[in-house]
Amino acid sequence: AQSVTQLGSHVSVSEGALVLLRCNYSSSVPPYLFWYVQYPNQGLQLLLKYTSAATLVKGINGFEAEFKKSETSFHLTKPSAHMSDAAEYFCAVSDAPYSSASKIIFGSGTRLSIRP
Amino acid sequence: EAQVTQNPRYLITVTGKKLTVTCSQNMNHEYMSWYRQDPGLGLRQIYYSMNVEVTDKGDVPEGYKVSRKEKRNFPLILESPSPNQTSLYFCASRLGLAVTDTQYFGPGTRLTVL
Repeated sequence: AQSVTQLGSHVSVSEGALVLLRCNYSSSVPPYLFWYVQYPNQGLQLLLKYTSAATLVKGINGFEAEFKKSETSFHLTKPSAHMSDAAEYFCAVSDAPYSSASKIIFGSGTRLSIRP
Repeated sequence: EAQVTQNPRYLITVTGKKLTVTCSQNMNHEYMSWYRQDPGLGLRQIYYSMNVEVTDKGDVPEGYKVSRKEKRNFPLILESPSPNQTSLYFCASRLGLAVTDTQYFGPGTRLTVL
């Protein structure tokens, strides 16, 4: 069964600093991986997804993530944090892309705070 | 505008009083699902539906019911709510079975059961 672990429930960075949110996954087959963002009082929004094409995936709002099979990781990065990036971020995994019970398993989330 | 709507956004109720949370999408999506979000646990799937009249249990279905009589609507029913169902609920939809289809989420319903 697949699972995902997000390291750090809360990350705080200064405006303009590098953002690094960590995600490690477990899957018995090549996984499909996702990062979602949740702004206050809103639903989740897809940031980016890895579907076994390029290992470096670019998403919206300047975020990107790199799939590293040897490390079973899919960390999310952004070179320069902006105040508007403050939100909760969820890593997610699926190992059954087209099955009738295809579902996405979510991590516990990381709250990102941006210091002025 | 493509969207998933949920109502109500906030609800406070008492133990045992039946309630329904509505969900509607305007994108003609086949796949819809309900999640609950609890601190430290992320999102867990309650039920999903692959099309009209086709529904199945997710990871935490106990105490919930759903129906899919029309493609656009997927209500969540709590026939006898209990305090452990106090949570933030999200409805979501995507085009089809493929998890690579972008999943769209509603704004959430915060439910408190006293």
